Amino acid sequence: AQTVTQSQPEMSVQEAETVTLSCTYDTSESDYYLFWYKQPPSRQMILVIRQEAYKQQNATENRFSVNFQKAAKSFSLKISDSQLGDAAMYFCAFVKKTSYDKVIFGPGTSLSVIP
Amino acid sequence: DVKVTQSSRYLVKRTGEKVFLECVQDMDHENMFWYRQDPGLGLRLIYFSYDVKMKEKGDIPEGYSVSREKKERFSLILESASTNQTSMYLCASSLLPTSGRSYEQYFGPGTRLTVT
Repeated sequence: AQTVTQSQPEMSVQEAETVTLSCTYDTSESDYYLFWYKQPPSRQMILVIRQEAYKQQNATENRFSVNFQKAAKSFSLKISDSQLGDAAMYFCAFVKKTSYDKVIFGPGTSLSVIP
Repeated sequence: DVKVTQSSRYLVKRTGEKVFLECVQDMDHENMFWYRQDPGLGLRLIYFSYDVKMKEKGDIPEGYSVSREKKERFSLILESASTNQTSMYLCASSLLPTSGRSYEQYFGPGTRLTVT
């Protein structure tokens, strides 16, 4: 069975600094997606960034980028130039690329941004 | 934009009541999901459905049932609410991953259910 681990329950970062959130996963699959989701306080969960396992290049979305290490089964999220609006719970997620399978979420990392 | 709506943001029910949580998505997604979210436990999947009238148990289906009579609507039913079902309930929808399109989940705003 697939598992997703986020070893940092809480993290903090100074505004304008860079922070990296860790995620590791366990799978025997070779074809899958990985995601980072953001859930701001009392607000809807939204997708931050996605990575397809067969793509070597690390995904980037503006200030958000990932370091995808397939062999190590690691998928970290880097937030550059942190802003107050980045304060949220961040969830790492995994799903096999098959028709009918469930998404596996990690337990989440609570990120605080210090002004 | 994809929109996933849930029938209530906050709900208070008594122990033993039958509770219905409704979820509607407007983007013709095949997959729909119900999660509960508790502090320190992340998101746990209760049930999901990949087609009308189809359903699959998730990790914690006990005490819950679901209904999907139409593609856009996925209902979660607590047959007899108990205090340990007090939680945040999130609905989500997505395309099938084999579609070749993006497979991310789109979430509703959540329903905070309190059972007293």
